[in-house]
Amino acid sequence: NAGVTQTPKFRILKIGQSMTLQCTQDMNHNYMYWYRQDPGMGLKLIYYSVGAGITDKGEVPNGYNVSRSTTEDFPLRLELAAPSQTSVYFCASSWNSNQPQHFGDGTRLSIL
Amino acid sequence: AQSVTQLDSQVPVFEEAPVELRCNYSSSVSVYLFWYVQYPNQGLQLLLKYLSGSTLVKGINGFEAEFNKSQTSFHLRKPSVHISDTAEYFCAVSDRDNFNKFYFGSGTKLNVKP
Repeated sequence: NAGVTQTPKFRILKIGQSMTLQCTQDMNHNYMYWYRQDPGMGLKLIYYSVGAGITDKGEVPNGYNVSRSTTEDFPLRLELAAPSQTSVYFCASSWNSNQPQHFGDGTRLSIL
Repeated sequence: AQSVTQLDSQVPVFEEAPVELRCNYSSSVSVYLFWYVQYPNQGLQLLLKYLSGSTLVKGINGFEAEFNKSQTSFHLRKPSVHISDTAEYFCAVSDRDNFNKFYFGSGTKLNVKP
């Protein structure tokens, strides 16, 4: 049982480049989330989705976009990478809002 | 919106000693409460959760937490820690009136020394 799978695990981008962080889950969870984790800051919610075709902004959505065309996949898009987006990104999923979230292993992104 | 405060950024403790990691949240409305653990270079794993019922919640690896509504706290405890408990611990809160959003604390690094 793979759970939540994130790719890539590491990436270095140049300022202004774009990329997509992939996230897929095989638990048939309705809810999916993207967080960023900065040192000493805990996790901040970027975007979330309550089902295919439905997404909404979290606390720190600026500079990011998401889509949810299937239950399994929830990609995060960076259009114009900036140094402030250097962080560790975690994708998570849950059955519903009061159930625990299952996390992927993270994507470590550096923008130089 | 909720805010979650973990006052201790780092907690050093000797092996086999007891430990308490503190968590306070801002709103007194009905909430769901969670503790997660993160080992180096890994994602977060659920330790325990409080949804309703008994205010004392037992989780994995011998951890437990107590929900105190009047003090808006959900402190995590373990009577005797092991070296393997060295990790970062995150408290999280979900508003019952705002189901879709979790709020995480800034984390507490537990360092268990031999």
